Amino acid sequence: QKEVEQDPGPLSVPEGAIVSLNCTYSNSAFQYFMWYRQYSRKGPELLMYTYSSGNKEDGRFTAQVDKSSKYISLFIRDSQPSDSATYLCAMEGSARQLTFGSGTQLTVLP
Amino acid sequence: GAGVSQSPRYKVAKRGQDVALRCDPISGHVSLFWYQQALGQGPEFLTYFQNEAQLDKSGLPSDRFFAERPEGSVSTLKIQRTQQEDSAVYLCASSLRGFADTQYFGPGTRLTVL
Repeated sequence: QKEVEQDPGPLSVPEGAIVSLNCTYSNSAFQYFMWYRQYSRKGPELLMYTYSSGNKEDGRFTAQVDKSSKYISLFIRDSQPSDSATYLCAMEGSARQLTFGSGTQLTVLP
Repeated sequence: GAGVSQSPRYKVAKRGQDVALRCDPISGHVSLFWYQQALGQGPEFLTYFQNEAQLDKSGLPSDRFFAERPEGSVSTLKIQRTQQEDSAVYLCASSLRGFADTQYFGPGTRLTVL
């Protein structure tokens, strides 16, 4: 079993929809939780960075962490075609390395 | 300012050849990371440097993989006697400090071993 599980999709939604992306994890040592966006043939770029359980909002993006359930989510409101990409959850524990999910491929249809 | 750069962007190697992949981190960033991303998968950690010291190489898949950062800036990932299973995108990331600090990724080097 992988330490971080993420539904690979693909996920296809109409423009303007609310998108929900999720990851579960098994390692209780993970303390920091991130969402990266990766466009085709590009490196991952950081979208959201959270530490504590609860919600963090940044524009159209909301990251949610539930440490008791070992579950994190990313919500995208008013989705746009430019949001079409692969979304990767990532986690960091006592080691400096990031542990990534497998990524969810999202397509927002105009 | 300039981000993380990697070269070459694409590399094709015949099985058994040695390859060297270069990473130029963001200027002043202390920490540097290498990740391997297979097709359709998330990046997987290979190794980590703090300045010139390689503090963690637990993710290197075999002794054919070697990384260095001799002056604490540019880093090179070397793969000896490449195998088909080495085909992947190799990503480099840097961060200002280290623990719990944002990692900024380069565009990656896509390695194809024939």
